[in-house]
Amino acid sequence: QQQVKQSPQSLIVQKGGIPIINCAYENTAFDYFPWYQQFPGKGPALLIAIRPDVSEKKEGRFTISFNKSAKQFSLHIMDSQPGDSATYFCAASKAAGNKLTFGGGTRVLVKP
Amino acid sequence: KAGVTQTPRYLIKTRGQQVTLSCSPISGHRSVSWYQQTPGQGLQFLFEYFSETQRNKGNFPGRFSGRQFSNSRSEMNVSTLELGDSALYLCASSLWGTPYNSPLHFGNGTRLTVT
Repeated sequence: QQQVKQSPQSLIVQKGGIPIINCAYENTAFDYFPWYQQFPGKGPALLIAIRPDVSEKKEGRFTISFNKSAKQFSLHIMDSQPGDSATYFCAASKAAGNKLTFGGGTRVLVKP
Repeated sequence: KAGVTQTPRYLIKTRGQQVTLSCSPISGHRSVSWYQQTPGQGLQFLFEYFSETQRNKGNFPGRFSGRQFSNSRSEMNVSTLELGDSALYLCASSLWGTPYNSPLHFGNGTRLTVT
């Protein structure tokens, strides 16, 4: 059972564009939603995270929007750069413990 | 501060063999988690150890096991290897084990190939 569904699987944008990645979850017990960025040959690195009591969070050029009633959240990459080309994963977990449930990943390519 | 270190980086094994992967967490981190990453199944949680005790376990067969030592270093073992065990195995550490207050930091993984 895939508890976190991520779309699209891949995305191509021009430099300066705004890639948007969407995730939907099923388990209402989830209360922590991080996004990870992974480059080839590297492990995932935490980008930004949000909890359900907040509808939006910004860190630099990365913004999470959260819709608790729809059980959906999304990542926007503002003013995207070629260096942002990577695979992005959304995830979810309950407060206790470190069991992250990941979405399937989105490969983002930012063309110069 | 050094990051999460996983050894070896690459490993090639034959079906039926067993393998041990090692993970050194960030200094001071007490929680270590293991994940399997494959193109088909994505990132899947294997187990988590906190202060030498397994605190969470994913839906993997008993061939997958792990342990944590008193210095927080961790090992995972896969016995009777199958072709489907070929994957990138990722270790992640955190301070306390509650993701909101102490985020997970991943290592670069061990690439296991089973032939």
